[in-house]
Parts: sequence; structure tokens; C-alpha cells
Amino acid sequence: GAGVSQSPSNKVTEKGKDVELRCDPISGHTALYWYRQRLGQGLEFLIYFQGNSAPDKSGLPSDRFSAERTGESVSTLTIQRTQQEDSAVYLCASSFVPGGRYNEQFFGPGTRLTVL
Amino acid sequence: AQKITQTQPGMFVQEKEAVTLDCTYDTSDPSYGLFWYKQPSSGEMIFLIYQGSYDQQNATEGRYSLNFQKARKSANLVISASQLGDSAMYFCAMREEGDNDMRFGAGTRLTVKP
Repeated sequence: GAGVSQSPSNKVTEKGKDVELRCDPISGHTALYWYRQRLGQGLEFLIYFQGNSAPDKSGLPSDRFSAERTGESVSTLTIQRTQQEDSAVYLCASSFVPGGRYNEQFFGPGTRLTVL
Repeated sequence: AQKITQTQPGMFVQEKEAVTLDCTYDTSDPSYGLFWYKQPSSGEMIFLIYQGSYDQQNATEGRYSLNFQKARKSANLVISASQLGDSAMYFCAMREEGDNDMRFGAGTRLTVKP
């Protein structure tokens, strides 16, 4: 596709349920990022994938959060036992050049997660 | 510690006028990049402009320019000839060389008045 796509666009779930969010990066982009954006706030880094290297999970807020990526393609972010504070927009981004100073990230439209 | 600071939660500008959105950053790494993104109400993040720490000249992209003052660690975005479509949230971000993540400021909501 032409850009980064994410699904679903909206997800409403009950507290305690697990959710899975999907990101399809731009073809050929080796780096993939997940961010969380709470209402009215900036973006918080969650996790980074680069090729087959071990992911950088330093931004994951708790062990209820995990993410996987198959090669250089689709990534899924899983939140287990969701809490109301998990309500946010989850943004995925990909980039072609993983290192160096210049690393323009292309963002998807986000998944708006609401935990009731 | 907060690495990116945007002190203006909201800004108003008259259509066709210029506006400056402030951004200061904190780093001890000599090699880094600074980015500005626009986020309209639809939610997507749109890349606007980039400035490298070693770039000698201020970056410009159409109506966007970056007033880079390295010694003061500031990277203000200047939008010239504001248009109604410029109304959005604007985020300043920084990525230090060797880091995987990009640190974002809290954002400035710009409203362009007709």
C-alpha cells in the first residue's frame, strides 16, 4: 500500500479483556515503531523493531503490553487485561533508514482504543 | 527528564500572518535530529520539516522554516502566510543518534482565524 495502515481504526473493549492492534508498514521499511497518545498529550514511545534484531521494548509501560513483528512486515501490539488508563490512540510508524540522525517516520492513522 | 519542551499549549494567528511555535530541547549528544509534525483533527501525523544538529543552515520547506539556535537548544517552527488549513496540533520531536525512539513534546494547538 501507499502508506502505513492500522486496524482496527476504533476499538471499544471492556476492562480486563485482551486486545490486539495491527500495523502494516510501508513495504520496504525495515524499522517499525509503536507509540501511544493519550488525549491531549504528545506521543509516548512504546517499542521499536528493526529487521531481525531484538526489539527495543524500553517504552512498554507494563508486562501487560507486548508486540510482535514477522520479519519486516506486519506488527501486532497486544494489551492483556486492559485497564481504563490504557485508553488512548495507538500510533504505528515505519521508516526506511533505521539509523543515523535523519530518520523520517511515516505514521499510520492510529487505532483509538477505549476501555470501558 | 523531559527532553522536548513546547511551552505554548495554544496559539492563535490571523489568516495570512506568520506565526512562531516554540520548541526547546535538552541533550548532551552532539549528533541529533529535530522534527516537526502536524496533527490535524483527523489524527494522522504529517511530517513537516527536519533539522540536523550539524546542518549549517536553517531548514525550510515551502511555508515552513525552522529557526534553529543550537547554543540555546531551540528549534522554533515558523509558518508564514498562515492558512485556515494550518489549524492543527503541532509537535516538535528529537531523535539522538543511536537511539531508536523519537521524543515528542506535548504539542501546541494552533488555530488560524479568518
